[in-house]
Amino acid sequence: QKEVEQDPGPLSVPEGAIVSLNCTYSNSAFQYFMWYRQYSRKGPELLMYTYSSGNKEDGRFTAQVDKSSKYISLFIRDSQPSDSATYLCAMTSLRDNYGQNFVFGPGTRLSVLP
Amino acid sequence: DAGITQSPRHKVTETGTPVTLRCHQTENHRYMYWYRQDPGHGLRLIHYSYGVKDTDKGEVSDGYSVSRSKTEDFLLTLESATSSQTSVYFCAISRTGVTDTQYFGPGTRLTVL
Repeated sequence: QKEVEQDPGPLSVPEGAIVSLNCTYSNSAFQYFMWYRQYSRKGPELLMYTYSSGNKEDGRFTAQVDKSSKYISLFIRDSQPSDSATYLCAMTSLRDNYGQNFVFGPGTRLSVLP
Repeated sequence: DAGITQSPRHKVTETGTPVTLRCHQTENHRYMYWYRQDPGHGLRLIHYSYGVKDTDKGEVSDGYSVSRSKTEDFLLTLESATSSQTSVYFCAISRTGVTDTQYFGPGTRLTVL
């Protein structure tokens, strides 16, 4: 079993839909959780950064962490064609003192159709 | 891209030749990282640096070396390139390590023939 699992997609939705992207993980020590967006042939850019469990909202984006289930989600409301990209989850633990133990999911490719 | 540049952006080389990729940051962040990204694997850490002249290996370091002589520059060298090193290489930086996220450069697309 991989440390972080993520459905690769592609996921196609109509414009305006609510999108749910998910990652599951196996290491219960993970406490920091991130979502990155990566446009084609570009570097990943940070969307959301959360610590421990709970929800965090930023505009149309909501990140949710359920540590008891080892499951994190990213919700995108009112999705736009400009949201079409690959979404990567990433996570690490407090033992990762230099940031050398970030674990990234393989990414989910999202297409929002106009 | 958070004040990070990578050069070259694209490179085609032949098996057995040495290759050096450069990452340059203007953020004065202490921590720097080199990743490779391959389909189905996500981002995998090659080497990282936690200060000038302080570097260590990551998950997939075989065949790679790094150097950091200045805060702003982190070089990745493939001593003798192989076809398995064909990949997209990303540099990332972080201000504090674990309690700060990582910000990525635009990437270098390397093809080894």
